[in-house]
Amino acid sequence: SQKIEQNSEALNIQEGKTATLTCNYTNYSPAYLQWYRQDPGRGPVFLLLIRENEKEKRKERLKVTFDTTLKQSLFHITASQPADSATYLCALASNFGNEKLTFGTGTRLTIIP
Amino acid sequence: EAGVAQSPRYKIIEKRQSVAFWCNPISGHATLYWYQQILGQGPKLLIQFQNNGVVDDSQLPKDRFSAERLKGVDSTLKIQPAKLEDSAVYLCASSLGVGVQSFGPGTRLTVT
Repeated sequence: SQKIEQNSEALNIQEGKTATLTCNYTNYSPAYLQWYRQDPGRGPVFLLLIRENEKEKRKERLKVTFDTTLKQSLFHITASQPADSATYLCALASNFGNEKLTFGTGTRLTIIP
Repeated sequence: EAGVAQSPRYKIIEKRQSVAFWCNPISGHATLYWYQQILGQGPKLLIQFQNNGVVDDSQLPKDRFSAERLKGVDSTLKIQPAKLEDSAVYLCASSLGVGVQSFGPGTRLTVT
């Protein structure tokens, strides 16, 4: 069956360091992958989208990689700040046109001052 | 632009009661989604509308859950009768295209 795993439930990183979150999937051929941020009591907020034929995407301090051979995406936050503390969700979609997303369970990131 | 609106924000009901949630998507967004998010898990799609037609409701427990999107704008999700395991946050999202979804704040349902 299809499965999406995010590396750990919780991750603590020292302020200023790079936080790296992992998303692994099995039995899936995604057309694209997205990363969302979710703060307590709020809905997820879109951060980045990367297509199956793209290796890397960047946006300010954020970087996403996508390796369809390893079936893995890595999400990096450089120069991390306490304000980056949140739960980060990866989501996969099978194809464009049918925008059905399947979400991972999320990783709760805490940046320690 | 105004975001996705949901109401109520919180609801507490007893099991076997019924409950309804309302969602107003971003203006012009043709696609609307309802998700269920259980504590500690990622959102799970319940139903997807394209305008006022259902695209996917494969994970909607149709014996107790129903949803409609009249006139292709607002949507309501109903649970009747509720069970303890329905306690969760119900998220509404909308999209214009290319997969990026805008989420509302959610409705936290507690079934006692």
